[in-house]
Amino acid sequence: QKEVEQNSGPLSVPEGAIASLNCTYSDRGSQSFFWYRQYSGKSPELIMSIYSNGDKEDGRFTAQLNKASQYVSLLIRDSQPSDSATYLCAGGSQGNLIFGKGTKLSVKP
Amino acid sequence: GAVVSQHPSRVICKSGTSVKIECRSLDFQATTMFWYRQFPKQSLMLMATSNEGSKATYEQGVEKDKFLINHASLTLSTLTVTSAHPEDSSFYICSASTGLGYEQYFGPGTRLTVT
Repeated sequence: QKEVEQNSGPLSVPEGAIASLNCTYSDRGSQSFFWYRQYSGKSPELIMSIYSNGDKEDGRFTAQLNKASQYVSLLIRDSQPSDSATYLCAGGSQGNLIFGKGTKLSVKP
Repeated sequence: GAVVSQHPSRVICKSGTSVKIECRSLDFQATTMFWYRQFPKQSLMLMATSNEGSKATYEQGVEKDKFLINHASLTLSTLTVTSAHPEDSSFYICSASTGLGYEQYFGPGTRLTVT
């Protein structure tokens, strides 16, 4: 069974801090990884994609991938209350995306 | 780019009736479209995967005769919930993929309430 595991949270950080979200995956054949943000009552929104080992930065977001450890993470710098949402990690394999159950992030003013 | 629309955004129907939900990729051709269901405070549940011109592939436990999926063109897929019952009330979300990578772009979702 191919799985993507995330800590459900909630993860609570103060405004301005770095939020660190983590994800592990079971399928070594996974080639592409994505982070989605989902606000309550809304559909998921793609915020980051990463395909190779290392870091990828986009604004306040940094995705990190370690294929040897089967580990993906998302760092959010200078967290804002508007970042409060559920973050879904997904891994791509054989034409499908496997989604984690999501980590709920709460950024306190 | 990569915009996906869904219609309607909300629908209320009576038990026993059928409801059709449309999913359109507005600025790209979607070789594959996906349908998900999400109950309150729960995670996304994949219902089915459809490729243009082919029959949909349903996940285990999803009744294909109840949830009819049509993917007639590279920009349009429809989900019809037949003989809807109150337990079908949920948030239905489609997503689309270009097939070049694995990323999926989600529509805004349709909130279905069956009374």
